[in-house]
Amino acid sequence: QTVVTQEPSLTVSPGGTVTLTCASSTGAVTSGYYPNWFQQKPGQAPRALIYSTSNKHSWTPARFSGSLLGGKAALTLSGVQPEDEAEYYCLLYYGGAVVFGGGTKLTVL
Amino acid sequence: QVQLQESGPGLVKPSQTLSLTCTVSGGSISSGSYYWSWIRQPAGKGLEWIGRIYTSGSTNYNPSLKSRVTISVDTSKNQFSLKLSSVTAADTAVYYCARDPGFGYWGQGTLVTVSS
Repeated sequence: QTVVTQEPSLTVSPGGTVTLTCASSTGAVTSGYYPNWFQQKPGQAPRALIYSTSNKHSWTPARFSGSLLGGKAALTLSGVQPEDEAEYYCLLYYGGAVVFGGGTKLTVL
Repeated sequence: QVQLQESGPGLVKPSQTLSLTCTVSGGSISSGSYYWSWIRQPAGKGLEWIGRIYTSGSTNYNPSLKSRVTISVDTSKNQFSLKLSSVTAADTAVYYCARDPGFGYWGQGTLVTVSS
């Protein structure tokens, strides 16, 4: 069973920068896993932020960016805003299968 | 603007089959190279991908659910559907439909409770 691992929780100060990571139990994450990132706030459906490692949707704020970092997929938030407090999920493709990470609870404090 | 909307019973008895439909509006389900996915989320827990169907009808399923899942598409109604058999309380969750790749479009989600 493939497992995708994220930090359970992170805390960042307003205006700061934070990087969330997404690791695969199968080894290094590459662009071939087409990493996606999502933001979910309580009571809402997930909102897509990043697809195929670093591509932004039209609605994705500029302060969000995706990359590969040290064998993991990464989501960096620069100039964090209070409204960025949320759960963040990554997703990786394994051929015909899709696996979500367990999520990172981001606290802005 | 593509919109997705889940529908179906909110309560299912244990051992029965959960059936949900996702209606796509704002575009044809047959146009473009898209997969149409089902995802679920138990209360207070993370997202779990259930499976997806391509416009051609080909499917991929989560290996852990594969024996119980069937996803189908009805292009005439611009809908795709999920059937999950032999449900237990562990299948209680909010069920979402979404468009893949990119997962840029999601339904609002529908809560399905498995209880007698």
